[in-house]
Amino acid sequence: DAKTTQPTSMDCAEGRAANLPCNHSTISGNEYVYWYRQIHSQGPQYIIHGLKNNETNEMASLIITEDRKSSTLILPHATLRDTAVYYCIAQTTGGGNKLTFGTGTQLKVEL
Amino acid sequence: NAGVTQTPKFQVLKTGQSMTLQCAQDMNHEYMSWYRQDPGMGLRLIHYSVGAGITDQGEVPNGYNVSRSTTEDFPLRLLSAAPSQTSVYFCASSELRGGTDTQYFGPGTRLTVL
Repeated sequence: DAKTTQPTSMDCAEGRAANLPCNHSTISGNEYVYWYRQIHSQGPQYIIHGLKNNETNEMASLIITEDRKSSTLILPHATLRDTAVYYCIAQTTGGGNKLTFGTGTQLKVEL
Repeated sequence: NAGVTQTPKFQVLKTGQSMTLQCAQDMNHEYMSWYRQDPGMGLRLIHYSVGAGITDQGEVPNGYNVSRSTTEDFPLRLLSAAPSQTSVYFCASSELRGGTDTQYFGPGTRLTVL
């Protein structure tokens, strides 16, 4: 599975969009980009995933560059409850039971 | 649905003791996994299962045993606990749908080995 690189930490003002980048320059054609988050050492929570098209759901949007070497998770209107560690994971189809977590990005949403 | 449940929430063991961490899911998922998370680090895969009767090792399997006799349950056994196994343990389940799968995690078991 491709290695991903994320900033260690980011800050965001409440109500503003939070844009979390992820580099996955060695991603292969059959690897999806998954995003999970972990709040206060709770179990990780699935956010969104995509292959090459941009994706949106009720939680977030995922923008994947055309060459698929990087992506950005967008939380359109961040709230204090979005403060968490966000993990970007490159994973082959059907490999969800073998996720490889890095150290993620600590997002702090402030007033 | 209760989702993924784990028991106990907290446990303190002495070195050399054995115990079983319980994990159950009520979503009829084929896949189940165990991860451990040490302070300030990401999760690391211990063991996983792709269905009842089938298990395999992950990244850090030493010191742990698993079995999968039913779809719902996936217990993790520590045969002889060591201080290095002090960690938070997460169980997860998932299923293939539409060619991809997403994992659902339990709340975790916080284990301290003295």
